[in-house]
Amino acid sequence: LAKTTQPISMDSYEGQEVNITCSHNNIATNDYITWYQQFPSQGPRFIIQGYKTKVTNEVASLFIPADRKSSTLSLPRVSLSDTAVYYCLVGAGNTGGFKTIFGAGTRLFVKA
Amino acid sequence: EAQVTQNPRYLITVTGKKLTVTCSQNMNHEYMSWYRQDPGLGLRQIYYSMNVEVTDKGDVPEGYKVSRKEKRNFPLILESPSPNQTSLYFCASSSRTGAGNSPLHFGNGTRLTVT
Repeated sequence: LAKTTQPISMDSYEGQEVNITCSHNNIATNDYITWYQQFPSQGPRFIIQGYKTKVTNEVASLFIPADRKSSTLSLPRVSLSDTAVYYCLVGAGNTGGFKTIFGAGTRLFVKA
Repeated sequence: EAQVTQNPRYLITVTGKKLTVTCSQNMNHEYMSWYRQDPGLGLRQIYYSMNVEVTDKGDVPEGYKVSRKEKRNFPLILESPSPNQTSLYFCASSSRTGAGNSPLHFGNGTRLTVT
């Protein structure tokens, strides 16, 4: 099972781009990379998922290098409301069912 | 509205008194899972279920039981709660689309305190 390593915390200012990197050296061939956002006292919320190269949606981009041993979540022009904990999860997304291992997450604090 | 519903949101109990936390989803998802979240430890998986009558242990199953008699429900049972099970619990579900992209949908959590 692929374990993940992320920075414990990051600070940023409103309007800046934030990049959070996750290491997953033991990622398996079938594993997808998924990022979640969690606000205090709420359940995590899906942000973006990818398998390789680059994925972009309305809220974020996900960059995955060719060896897939790491991934970077990019949040463009963050606002105060982006202050949250961000989790990287690696696993076989196409089965929808397996043992899931979350890392400790990255606490992002956006300042005015 | 598609959602995962957990009850209760808050629960205070005493050591040894059996309790059940309910979880229900209305998205017809095959996969359901329970996690506990403790400060500095992130989310740790307790049990998961691939489908009705199919359950398996996650990373921290000791002291917990689950059942999956119906597709929509996945209750978490603590037969004899202990103070070290004081935590924030989340239920989640996802589909098995076979095409990638099966993100987890989480409930709003149950904060359990065992004294």
